[in-house]
Amino acid sequence: DAGVTQSPTHLIKTRGQQVTLRCSPKSGHDTVSWYQQALGQGPQFIFQYYEEEERQRGNFPDRFSGHQFPNYSSELNVNALLLGDSALYLCASTPGGGRNTGELFFGEGSRLTVL
Amino acid sequence: ILNVEQSPQSLHVQEGDSTNFTCSFPSSNFYALHWYRWETAKSPEALFVMTLNGDEKKKGRISATLNTKEGYSYLYIKGSQPEDSATYLCAPTLSGTYKYIFGTGTRLKVLA
Repeated sequence: DAGVTQSPTHLIKTRGQQVTLRCSPKSGHDTVSWYQQALGQGPQFIFQYYEEEERQRGNFPDRFSGHQFPNYSSELNVNALLLGDSALYLCASTPGGGRNTGELFFGEGSRLTVL
Repeated sequence: ILNVEQSPQSLHVQEGDSTNFTCSFPSSNFYALHWYRWETAKSPEALFVMTLNGDEKKKGRISATLNTKEGYSYLYIKGSQPEDSATYLCAPTLSGTYKYIFGTGTRLKVLA
């Protein structure tokens, strides 16, 4: 049973470019959340997708957008990249609509470096 | 803005030592408190989730307690082993939201 898989694992972009990160949730999970972990910080909530819609959003600008597909996989898109977007981006999945007492199952992350 | 604080930020202990960490959070609108263990180059893994004041959870040598009235949780590791070396994150969740609010973590290094 595959866990949460993310791609790519590492990537380098330059300021102003756009990036798409991908996530496949754990089998049987229908809810996907994205978190950003900048250096020296804990993971920060970006947004959560459920039933192909953004259900809740954290304190991130509109440059951060996402999508969830019918197979529950998800993408995170970041436009007009800034140096401060350099971080580890974690995807987490949960079953059953993502109740907030449930365990988050994380991928290993996509490390983005913006030059 | 919910401020979650974890202390200490990092610590080194000798193999066999027992240790504990603290997670503090504002107690208003509290719903649940999660602890995660994150080894380098791996993904964070859930240790415990606690919801009720006075909850205690245990998994092997690791245990946790919860005080929702004063807004803190302790994580204890008894007889630390090198494989316990990791970053330990706590994350409260609030009523009516889906986001987990992570602290900055406690980085534990167990020396053999």
